[in-house]
Amino acid sequence: AQSVAQPEDQVNVAEGNPLTVKCTYSVSGNPYLFWYVQYPNRGLQFLLKYITGDNLVKGSYGFEAEFNKSQTSFHLKKPSALVSDSALYFCAVRDMRSGNTGKLIFGQGTTLQVKP
Amino acid sequence: DTGVSQDPRHKITKRGQNVTFRCDPISEHNRLYWYRQTLGQGPEFLTYFQNEAQLEKSRLLSDRFSAERPKGSFSTLEIQRTEQGDSAMYLCASSGPAGPDEQFFGPGTRLTVL
Repeated sequence: AQSVAQPEDQVNVAEGNPLTVKCTYSVSGNPYLFWYVQYPNRGLQFLLKYITGDNLVKGSYGFEAEFNKSQTSFHLKKPSALVSDSALYFCAVRDMRSGNTGKLIFGQGTTLQVKP
Repeated sequence: DTGVSQDPRHKITKRGQNVTFRCDPISEHNRLYWYRQTLGQGPEFLTYFQNEAQLEKSRLLSDRFSAERPKGSFSTLEIQRTEQGDSAMYLCASSGPAGPDEQFFGPGTRLTVL
């Protein structure tokens, strides 16, 4: 079965410190991986994606993610957290059983809390 | 603002009533998706349109749910005979000519069934 797991419900980090939000996946074939962020009362916003190529992907707002095929992980990182980064983060994988529809399978989300 | 819009933003209804939600995708986006998000969970796929054709439906989409996208523009999601378990955030997303791999999400419609 294809799935995404985010093992932490919440991550707490002090402003200015590096942050990591974890994601592991299970798919058949090569994965297409995504990170989205959700702020209260707003829709999900695309942060970054990995399709192929360099294992370190850079995205919006200074975020980056590292694809690790051997560990089937795609952790989201940022070198220096901001209070404004506090939000709900979702990892997702494209459902390759659906052909070219682009249907996404999401993890359950991780709340990031950045404290001043 | 030329993003994805959804209407209404909130809907409170009584069990057994019918509700309809609307999604306006980004213009020229030919792909449109509906997802459902319950509290503490990630979004779950409901259905997918390419232009006006509904090409995939999830098993989550029972026969009480129907979605349309006439003329390949806006889309509607109707739930008939609502149940308390239908209470959720209903999200619409669209993607465009560049392909399916960057979906733009609307703000969602929060449904509460009493």
